[in-house]
Amino acid sequence: IVMTQSPATLSASPGERATLSCRASQSISNNLAWYQQRPGQAPRLLIYGASTRATNIPARFSGSGSGTEFTLTISSLQSEDFAVYYCQQYNKRPPFTFGPGTKVDIK
Amino acid sequence: EVLLLESGGGLVQPGGSLRLSCAASGFTFSTYAMSWVRLAPGKGLEWVSAISGSGDNTYVADSVKGRFTISRDNSRNTVYLQMNSLRVEDTAIYYCAKDPYAAMPYWFDPWGQGTLVTVSS
Repeated sequence: IVMTQSPATLSASPGERATLSCRASQSISNNLAWYQQRPGQAPRLLIYGASTRATNIPARFSGSGSGTEFTLTISSLQSEDFAVYYCQQYNKRPPFTFGPGTKVDIK
Repeated sequence: EVLLLESGGGLVQPGGSLRLSCAASGFTFSTYAMSWVRLAPGKGLEWVSAISGSGDNTYVADSVKGRFTISRDNSRNTVYLQMNSLRVEDTAIYYCAKDPYAAMPYWFDPWGQGTLVTVSS
């Protein structure tokens, strides 16, 4: 299963809403996770099951979608949210495939 | 608190070998599958290998099949990645990650801080 993400880079200002997209080459039901990776840090799980927030993840992060189309929304960007975001499918495993990532940077 | 600490990375020549270790604490190690995921320079995340909680089942990405072997020692709360016949394209930060269930990975949480492997002559 091939995962694609768009846009490759999203430029936004603090306080703005950010919408990131992830697409699977075939249906993966809701078997999708989202991760955040800040520079120099390990990835952090944000969302699993397409829409369930992981422990201690702020409510401004939300996930939606099923089948082949998924969205991660950050309702109001904070300074610590500027990072790279990856989606990952676990419907047909292995392999556990990641998308190429979306970089969210400051406009 | 769950902690994962990788070690064993370094500089190695093409064709060489390295063994990575990941020491875990803060949870009942033998009841969770564990994975290795890498991040190559300028690229995205790539799942490398996984092992079930008991160690009976292992999974390896096609890109490293026949060269990398995952194992675990539940008495030491440690998972290993033996990397042989290393190639320049194996250069990456290698992360150890905990899986949510015993049998097979689904998502990865949490992750260790990573260990850098550089394959170069």
